[in-house]
Amino acid sequence: AQTVTQSQPEMSVQEAETVTLSCTYDTSENNYYLFWYKQPPSRQMILVIRQEAYKQQNATENRFSVNFQKAAKSFSLKISDSQLGDTAMYFCAFMKPDQTGANNLFFGTGTRLTVIP
Amino acid sequence: EPEVTQTPSHQVTQMGQEVILRCVPISNHLYFYWYRQILGQKVEFLVSFYNNEISEKSEIFDDQFSVERPDGSNFTLKIRSTKLEDSAMYFCASCTGNTEAFFGQGTRLTVV
Repeated sequence: AQTVTQSQPEMSVQEAETVTLSCTYDTSENNYYLFWYKQPPSRQMILVIRQEAYKQQNATENRFSVNFQKAAKSFSLKISDSQLGDTAMYFCAFMKPDQTGANNLFFGTGTRLTVIP
Repeated sequence: EPEVTQTPSHQVTQMGQEVILRCVPISNHLYFYWYRQILGQKVEFLVSFYNNEISEKSEIFDDQFSVERPDGSNFTLKIRSTKLEDSAMYFCASCTGNTEAFFGQGTRLTVV
């Protein structure tokens, strides 16, 4: 089974600063996807960014970027120019393509990020 | 933009009562999931559903739980006799199988 580890239960960052959330995973798969989901106080799960394992280029979405190290099985999220609205729980998730309908989405335990004004 | 919708947003029920949580997945998605999140804890997999049947379920998904896709659009989770420990946020998700899972906004279930 796949496991996803987020070793930082809580983090804080000053507004406008940069913060990096770490995530490692364990898998024997070669083809898979990695995601960061944001869960604000409303508790909705919002996709922040995705990365396909076959792509060497790190994904970026505006102020959000990842550092994907496939050999090290590491997938960190960098948030630049942090904003108050970034305050949320962040979940790293691993998904392997599966055509049988089996559960293929595995979550880490989350990192609670607080942006300080 | 297509989205997964869940109703109700909040459900309060008495212990021992049956509840049905409803979800409308994105129309062209084929894989459907229920997850739950007890307050402040990790997101836990409950069940996945594909081709009109359960494809995988976790240990949490015992005989008190069932899922249905009764009419080709809705995807429901039923808890037959709720317990206090069933209080949680329940998320429905759907995907094509090769992309990210899209989540609904969740249903907060409170068992009193």
